[in-house]
Amino acid sequence: SAVISQKPSRDICQRGTSLTIQCQVDSQVTMMFWYRQQPGQSLTLIATANQGSEATYESGFVIDKFPISRPNLTFSTLTVSNMSPEDSSIYLCSVKEWDSLTVLRNEQFFGPGTRLTVL
Amino acid sequence: KQEVTQIPAALSVPEGENLVLNCSFTDSAIYNLQWFRQDPGKGLTSLLLIQSSQREQTSGRLNASLDKSSGRSTLYIAASQPGDSATYLCAVGGTGRRALTFGSGTRLQVQP
Repeated sequence: SAVISQKPSRDICQRGTSLTIQCQVDSQVTMMFWYRQQPGQSLTLIATANQGSEATYESGFVIDKFPISRPNLTFSTLTVSNMSPEDSSIYLCSVKEWDSLTVLRNEQFFGPGTRLTVL
Repeated sequence: KQEVTQIPAALSVPEGENLVLNCSFTDSAIYNLQWFRQDPGKGLTSLLLIQSSQREQTSGRLNASLDKSSGRSTLYIAASQPGDSATYLCAVGGTGRRALTFGSGTRLQVQP
């Protein structure tokens, strides 16, 4: 299984500032995703990070607020821009190896998360 | 749009009981289904993965079943222990290159 690390593990930020979260995987993976987990809630998909092209965002999430980069098959960043207290959440990076031609497990794995508090 | 529901939202049981957590989904065209465990303030630990062609998977005291036609999965935990206390999340994988869609979770408390 893929081993995923995230930096920072937690941060406390001031309203109006931006934070960039890094996700590093120990092997090349096809699919990388970013999720948000608001306090007491389940996970909501923010976007799919596409290598070499713009991320694909879910309804309710926009690039200006959550710019994402994926320069290669092992690394991605998520920036939370112009933060407000409503952005206080755990942000999780997730990966999956996708192959439609062979019977692979296609199991999805998660990083440890970044706990963000916005004051 | 796929919707995933988990019942009950919370459960408290005495140690040693066998228990069942339920998950339902609205679109039966799924690729697979995963059960996760999440401890407070922590990330997700994958417990079991069931492919759409499978009926069940077992790992230790855990058994997950899948009935794709009825849009249901259950997670059975045998002989529960206080260390099993956590939130259990069901997530459904759609066809294509889609990410998992999560249910709201069941918060389990096992009393010593």
